[in-house]
Amino acid sequence: AQSVTQLGSHVSVSEGALVLLRCNYSSSVPPYLFWYVQYPNQGLQLLLKYTTGATLVKGINGFEAEFKKSETSFHLTKPSAHMSDAAEYFCAVSDPGTGNQFYFGTGTSLTVIP
Amino acid sequence: ETGVTQTPRHLVMGMTNKKSLKCEQHLGHNAMYWYKQSAKKPLELMFVYNFKEQTENNSVPSRFSPECPNSSHLFLHLHTLQPEDSALYLCASSQGTVYGQYFGPGTRLTVT
Repeated sequence: AQSVTQLGSHVSVSEGALVLLRCNYSSSVPPYLFWYVQYPNQGLQLLLKYTTGATLVKGINGFEAEFKKSETSFHLTKPSAHMSDAAEYFCAVSDPGTGNQFYFGTGTSLTVIP
Repeated sequence: ETGVTQTPRHLVMGMTNKKSLKCEQHLGHNAMYWYKQSAKKPLELMFVYNFKEQTENNSVPSRFSPECPNSSHLFLHLHTLQPEDSALYLCASSQGTVYGQYFGPGTRLTVT
């Protein structure tokens, strides 16, 4: 089974600063990779995904992530944090062609300081 | 309605009650999922259904009973719950894995 590691359960950034949320996965076969955002008392919303092709993917709300096979990483970034970015962020992976199983990281809570 | 809907959004029940959570997806997906999200704990996968057939049951206590009458509807029947079952219950759907999952808003369950 896959495992997903999100380094840092809590990250604080100043408004306007770079956001960097880290995600590493365990598979030796490149998986499908996803980032989700969850606002309080809401479900998870898909931010962006990588399946094949260009390794830098852009998502909603100005976020992007880069798939680095050599580092088994899929870190999420945003150049300039906004107050509305404060939320919980989850990285997830799935193995291509192996049914409907998704593996989630434990989440990173992002705080944006005004 | 679009996406994934869940009802009710909030539920308070006693330990001896029986209640059901409902999930409906309007996306034409073939798989549906129940997750439990407790405070300060990782997201826990409970059940997976693929084309109405249960394909995953992650050692969930029998007081939780899922039902999937068709690929658009998913229920979670609850009976004799414990206070530690209080959590946000999330439903999701997907079409395979390549597009990711789409989540409902969740049902906030409180067991008293």
